[in-house]
Amino acid sequence: DIQMTQSPSSLSASVGDRVTITCRASQTISSYLNWYQQKPGKAPKLLIYAASNLKGGVPSRFSGSGSGTDFTLTISSLQPEDFATYYCQQSYSTPYTFGQGTKLEIK
Amino acid sequence: QVQLVESGGGVVQPGRSLRLSCAASGFAFSSYAIHWVRQAPGKGLEWVAHISNVGTNRYYADSVKGRFTISRDNSKNTLSLQMNSLRAEDTAVYYCARVGWFGPSKYFDYWGQGTLVTVSS
Repeated sequence: DIQMTQSPSSLSASVGDRVTITCRASQTISSYLNWYQQKPGKAPKLLIYAASNLKGGVPSRFSGSGSGTDFTLTISSLQPEDFATYYCQQSYSTPYTFGQGTKLEIK
Repeated sequence: QVQLVESGGGVVQPGRSLRLSCAASGFAFSSYAIHWVRQAPGKGLEWVAHISNVGTNRYYADSVKGRFTISRDNSKNTLSLQMNSLRAEDTAVYYCARVGWFGPSKYFDYWGQGTLVTVSS
């Protein structure tokens, strides 16, 4: 199975900050990398698919980049509603494994 | 609009069985693969199982292989997860998720609200 490792596991930031979360795959996955946002008690929501494609309706302050084994999710200017947990997921091969999550908290 | 609604969760004793359902609406159900993903309390997301759009291909996480069975009824727009020989470590919120695609890339574009399974004596 492909292992996905996110860093950091948690992050404190302020409204307006630029934040970057990284995700590393244990083997190359081309651009088969997705990012999800999850708020407490809610289902995850797709933010970015195929490494850099923003899902319709997702604010443009979110962006994704990377290919191969290293990927990043960037939030250009944090808004109050962005404080949540973020997960990366590879869809290169079954099982479609997730990273362990990055909890983004208000400083 | 696309909707996925899970049901069937509850409290069950170790070793017993439970059947989860996922009712789909708002899209051509038979055209989409569907996955089950679970989340133990306070933990991250764990992929559980996958079924192809017409049910011919099924895959399972090693942690549930041989105990869980995924199935679907495209005439009723329903997905099921039969869970046997349940263990305490199966305690989680179970989500069904639809697979979208962009060329060869796959992703989970819609999720249900989840149903909680608690395995406890």
